[in-house]
Amino acid sequence: GQNIDQPTEMTATEGAIVQINCTYQTSGFNGLFWYQQHAGEAPTFLSYNVLDGLEEKGRFSSFLSRSKGYSYLLLKELQMKDSASYLCAVEDPNYGGSQGNLIFGKGTKLSVKP
Amino acid sequence: DTEVTQTPKHLVMGMTNKKSLKCEQHMGHRAMYWYKQKAKKPPELMFVYSYEKLSINESVPSRFSPECPNSSLLNLHLHALQPEDSALYLCASSQDRLGSGGTRGVLFFGEGSRLTVL
Repeated sequence: GQNIDQPTEMTATEGAIVQINCTYQTSGFNGLFWYQQHAGEAPTFLSYNVLDGLEEKGRFSSFLSRSKGYSYLLLKELQMKDSASYLCAVEDPNYGGSQGNLIFGKGTKLSVKP
Repeated sequence: DTEVTQTPKHLVMGMTNKKSLKCEQHMGHRAMYWYKQKAKKPPELMFVYSYEKLSINESVPSRFSPECPNSSLLNLHLHALQPEDSALYLCASSQDRLGSGGTRGVLFFGEGSRLTVL
């Protein structure tokens, strides 16, 4: 079956570092995405990993271990505006014939406090 | 232009009404999607159009009817909805269909249409 797990909520302090973990079990794997969603707004793309290792993009980094079915999103120098939900999503390429699908986790709501 | 635009932003309708949600993108993307999102839940896939053909229908009730008039436009026709259909409806597009590999499957979401069914 398809299963993606991530913590429901996390709290961190402005200026700190926070790591949001994601574990997955899917029938196929063609990459893992992280999206950010502020309350009442649409998700926006943050990062993509398909090979093992760390991808860094400014204050945000994302790590993938395919053998462990594990990823994390690392946010450094936290700012108040980083308060949002963070969605982990795995691309299953074989979902509907030749059409893949994104399997979303339930999202982690991050609250950044002063 | 890296936007997906959706109209209307808010819609209130009765159970007997017929309305439509509209979505437009001008990024040359060949896949377009409708998602439904309830509060504090992740987006749920409803329909996927790939190269203007319906490629995934997630067993959505027939009171939701998608239409893809051309590669830039996606509509969702609504008829005889139920109060439990109240949700945020998100349109998204990607450069190519998911499964084609790489970042071509990155979804660009519109701001959503918040639907309330009375």
